Amino acid sequence: SQQGEEDPQALSIQEGENATMNCSYKTSINNLQWYRQNSGRGLVHLILIRSNEREKHSGRLRVTLDTSKKSSSLLITASRAADTASYFCATDFTGGGNKLTFGTGTQLKVEL
Amino acid sequence: DAGVIQSPRHEVTEMGQEVTLRCKPISGHDYLFWYRQTMMRGLELLIYFNNNVPIDDSGMPEDRFSAKMPNASFSTLKIQPSEPRDSAVYFCASSLAGGRGEQFFGPGTRLTVL
Repeated sequence: SQQGEEDPQALSIQEGENATMNCSYKTSINNLQWYRQNSGRGLVHLILIRSNEREKHSGRLRVTLDTSKKSSSLLITASRAADTASYFCATDFTGGGNKLTFGTGTQLKVEL
Repeated sequence: DAGVIQSPRHEVTEMGQEVTLRCKPISGHDYLFWYRQTMMRGLELLIYFNNNVPIDDSGMPEDRFSAKMPNASFSTLKIQPSEPRDSAVYFCASSLAGGRGEQFFGPGTRLTVL
């Protein structure tokens, strides 16, 4: 399977702390994207990082990409209760046909 | 823009019945994707269209599943006959650039087959 694997599967932190989620994949990519899914809702795009980029920021989000290790990380700084959700990485594999393959997700719970 | 619209939001049916799920993509988006999400298998791509043409249906589980996109503003996913193992949340997503860019997801249809 070319599916990305997220680590950890579940993460529980206190409000104000930072949350780090990791994603590993198996073959070369054109880009990697992170999505958030609140319970019972559709996925929402957070950030896209291209294969020639190493780091990207968007507000409290920081994404890194290490193509040599085939891994990415998503850092959420100063977490809030509203950040409680599942987070998925998705990869556009080279030669994969212009589609995304989603990982297994990390369930983040931010407690007050 | 209203975003991606899916209907119905919930569907409960009995085994053997035909089920039709509907999707209206964001206007101007050339790509439309159908996904299925279950606890066991996660989020799986079933099929995607580009300019109303099916490009990759390798994720369609079996012949009981079919999808159409008769025009740029409407797509259906049909299951006939439905089985309990088809119970899942089905998402439609649209985008301007396929996997190369951001995908916009609908709210999903929660299907329960009894």
